[in-house]
Amino acid sequence: QVQLVQSGAEVKKPGDSVTVSCKASGYIFTNYYFHWVRQAPGQGLEWMGIFNPSGGGRNYAQKFQDRVTMTRDTSTSTIFLELRSLTSDDTAVYYCARVRGDNGYTPLAYWGQGTLVSVSS
Amino acid sequence: DIQMTQSPSSLSASEGERVTVACRASQSLSHNLNWYQQRAGEAPKLLISDASSLQSGVPSRFSGSGSGTYFTLTIASLRPEDSATYYCQQSSSTPITFGQGTRLEIK
Repeated sequence: QVQLVQSGAEVKKPGDSVTVSCKASGYIFTNYYFHWVRQAPGQGLEWMGIFNPSGGGRNYAQKFQDRVTMTRDTSTSTIFLELRSLTSDDTAVYYCARVRGDNGYTPLAYWGQGTLVSVSS
Repeated sequence: DIQMTQSPSSLSASEGERVTVACRASQSLSHNLNWYQQRAGEAPKLLISDASSLQSGVPSRFSGSGSGTYFTLTIASLRPEDSATYYCQQSSSTPITFGQGTRLEIK
């Protein structure tokens, strides 16, 4: 069965960078796109970008364009989200999600458990 | 960007009642609209895709309808486990956008 397992909670200071990982299993890793979505405490869902684990192509939300990088390690079936220049506004739960079909914009059918990133001085 | 507006923002209903959540898009989506359920402390779960396709394993009391700019999610007969926040999401164009969520409380 498809599983996405994310790395553990992080505590960071303003200005720091954070990297969140998402390890996939139960299917062929390179066959399906991923998205990253975040959720600030008590708030709704915010899309950060889409990543193609096959060729490494990506499309970031404009809001994060300058300080986000999505990558992958095909040998471990893991994708990574790096967010730089953190502020308190980046305090959120970060989710990786895999699409259902072979189009990158099909529904987000599988989700990781979420990774809480807390930013505080 | 396509703006997604849900209504109501919250509602409270009794077990067995029928409820409907609406989602309006600022541009036509055709049928590229999905619904997610998020229980407290959990990741979102895909309920309905392409406006009206129920995902495998989702109870049949959930249904979706609509096209273009107006969509609805209906729960036919509420159960306690339906207490959650529901989000619509458009996948018609980037950036992907979500509605602000509708919090459903079961009395």
